[in-house]
Amino acid sequence: AQSVSQHNHHVILSEAASLELGCNYSYGGTVNLFWYVQYPGQHLQLLLKYFSGDPLVKGIKGFEAEFIKSKFSFNLRKPSVQWSDTAEYFCAVNAGTGRRALTFGSGTRLQVQP
Amino acid sequence: NAGVTQTPKFQVLKTGQSMTLQCAQDMNHNSMYWYRQDPGMGLRLIYYSASEGTTDKGEVPNGYNVSRLNKREFSLRLESAAPSQTSVYFCASTPDRGGGYTFGSGTRLTVV
Repeated sequence: AQSVSQHNHHVILSEAASLELGCNYSYGGTVNLFWYVQYPGQHLQLLLKYFSGDPLVKGIKGFEAEFIKSKFSFNLRKPSVQWSDTAEYFCAVNAGTGRRALTFGSGTRLQVQP
Repeated sequence: NAGVTQTPKFQVLKTGQSMTLQCAQDMNHNSMYWYRQDPGMGLRLIYYSASEGTTDKGEVPNGYNVSRLNKREFSLRLESAAPSQTSVYFCASTPDRGGGYTFGSGTRLTVV
């Protein structure tokens, strides 16, 4: 079975600080990887996704993530956060074949202070 | 606007009551999903439907039933609500060949 771990449960940063949120998954085969963002009171929105190819993936709003297969990781990064990035961030994975249901991590709550 | 529509947005039930959460998508997606979101636990899959006429259990199916009425609609039913089912419920859909999910705006359910 696939699983996802997000080790940072709550992160507090000041504006302009750099961000890196960790995500590790457990599945031995081909995987598709996603990062979603949930702003307060809203539904989840896709930030970026990785299926294959270049392991450095760029998403919306200046976010990027790097797939490191040897480490089973897909960490999310942003060079300079803004107050508007305050939200909860979820990493998700599904197997490259078979079931297409996503397995989500427990989420990381990011608070950006002005 | 194209997307996933969920109703109702909020609901309070008494223990033992039943209700159905509705979900409809107009993107011609084959696959639809129901998740529940609880603090500190992320989203957990309740049921999913890979195509019209098929449904499968997810991680936490107990206490729920689903119906894939047609390609557009995928409903979630609580036959006898329990306080443990207090949660935010999200419906989502996706094209067959992967891609990200499109989520509905969620239903906040409280069972007292």
